[in-house]
Amino acid sequence: QKEVEQDPGPLSVPEGAIVSLNCTYSNSAFQYFMWYRQYSRKGPELLMYTYSSGNKEDGRFTAQVDKSSKYISLFIRDSQPSDSATYLCAMSAGGGSNYKLTFGKGTLLTVNP
Amino acid sequence: GAVVSQHPSRVICKSGTSVKIECRSLDFQATTMFWYRQFPKQSLMLMATSNEGSKATYEQGVEKDKFLINHASLTLSTLTVTSAHPEDSSFYICSAKADTQYFGPGTRLTVL
Repeated sequence: QKEVEQDPGPLSVPEGAIVSLNCTYSNSAFQYFMWYRQYSRKGPELLMYTYSSGNKEDGRFTAQVDKSSKYISLFIRDSQPSDSATYLCAMSAGGGSNYKLTFGKGTLLTVNP
Repeated sequence: GAVVSQHPSRVICKSGTSVKIECRSLDFQATTMFWYRQFPKQSLMLMATSNEGSKATYEQGVEKDKFLINHASLTLSTLTVTSAHPEDSSFYICSAKADTQYFGPGTRLTVL
């Protein structure tokens, strides 16, 4: 079993739809959770960063963490064609020598006008 | 805030030559930087962790003599691909650690 599982998609939705992206993980040591957006041929861009269970909202994006179920989600409201990208979940066990990110494989999202 | 730059964005070189890629944190100081490699339609593969003023820590299977990393200041890390071969052609991405990792825009290396 891989440490982080993420459905690679592809996921195709109409403009304005609510998008739900998910990752599950097996390592209970993971405490910090991130979502990155990566456009083709570009570096990943940090969207959300959280270290506690519950919800965190930033504009159209909501990150949800459920540590008891080892499950994280990213919701995108009112999706736009410009949201078309690969979304990577990432997590780490903490700071110091534990601070390496473990990534999901990424989900390719297309938002159709 | 938390902007990371990379230079060059694209480089084409001949087999056997060396290529240097720079990674800079523009608005914060980064004790720790990371170098990744990414193949098409795949996730990022960590190559090494670079700490300012000390030797880099390489991941298993990454040749330290081929991929030389220098982190001489709190805002600059460099990756040198020595004696590059076509199989080294890839997308190289750096990141710098603040509260979390912030990534550069990537460098596409093509070795002919």
